[in-house]
Amino acid sequence: GEDVEQSLFLSVREGDSSVINCTYTDSSSTYLYWYKQEPGAGLQLLTYIFSNMDMKQDQRLTVLLNKKDKHLSLRIADTQTGDSAIYFCAESFFRDDKIIFGKGTRLHILP
Amino acid sequence: NAGVMQNPRHLVRRRGQEARLRCSPMKGHSHVYWYRQLPEEGLKFMVYLQKENIIDESGMPKERFSAEFPKEGPSILRIQQVVRGDSAAYFCASSPSGTNEQYFGPGTRLTVT
Repeated sequence: GEDVEQSLFLSVREGDSSVINCTYTDSSSTYLYWYKQEPGAGLQLLTYIFSNMDMKQDQRLTVLLNKKDKHLSLRIADTQTGDSAIYFCAESFFRDDKIIFGKGTRLHILP
Repeated sequence: NAGVMQNPRHLVRRRGQEARLRCSPMKGHSHVYWYRQLPEEGLKFMVYLQKENIIDESGMPKERFSAEFPKEGPSILRIQQVVRGDSAAYFCASSPSGTNEQYFGPGTRLTVT
């Protein structure tokens, strides 16, 4: 079945690294995403990774994929106050397909 | 290039009224997706449309909900006889053909009183 699980809350001190974890159940997922949602706003696509990749890095963001364990993580280096948001892990199976979202992890930045 | 536009941003309806939510995709995008976000939940897929065609409506409730994407004009999500449980944020996303990247609008927050 289709299911994406992630922890609901994470608190991190400003300047530290944030690691947000996610697990998914369907091994046939082709695309795995991280979206960011700020209060009252829509979703912003941060990055995505193909299921045949292990890692993708983009500036302060690093995505790691462990396909065997169906585990995806997002690492944000040097966390800033502007990173405070809800981060959604998501998956889809082919192009032009619906996206299946987790419930989101609320990232809180401590001063 | 303007992003995905949704209006209204906030909509208040009494129980039993109709709600119409509009979505204008990004220029050059021919695919539109509607998602619903209940409070403290992730987004749930509702329907996927291309111009004048419904491609996948597996997430749409069987009754009271309908969607269209006409040849001209925005995509419309229509909810008839709204109930309190319809209160949610409704997001539209668009994409060009043949990609996996969907770009989201700011959402319409529907409140049913």
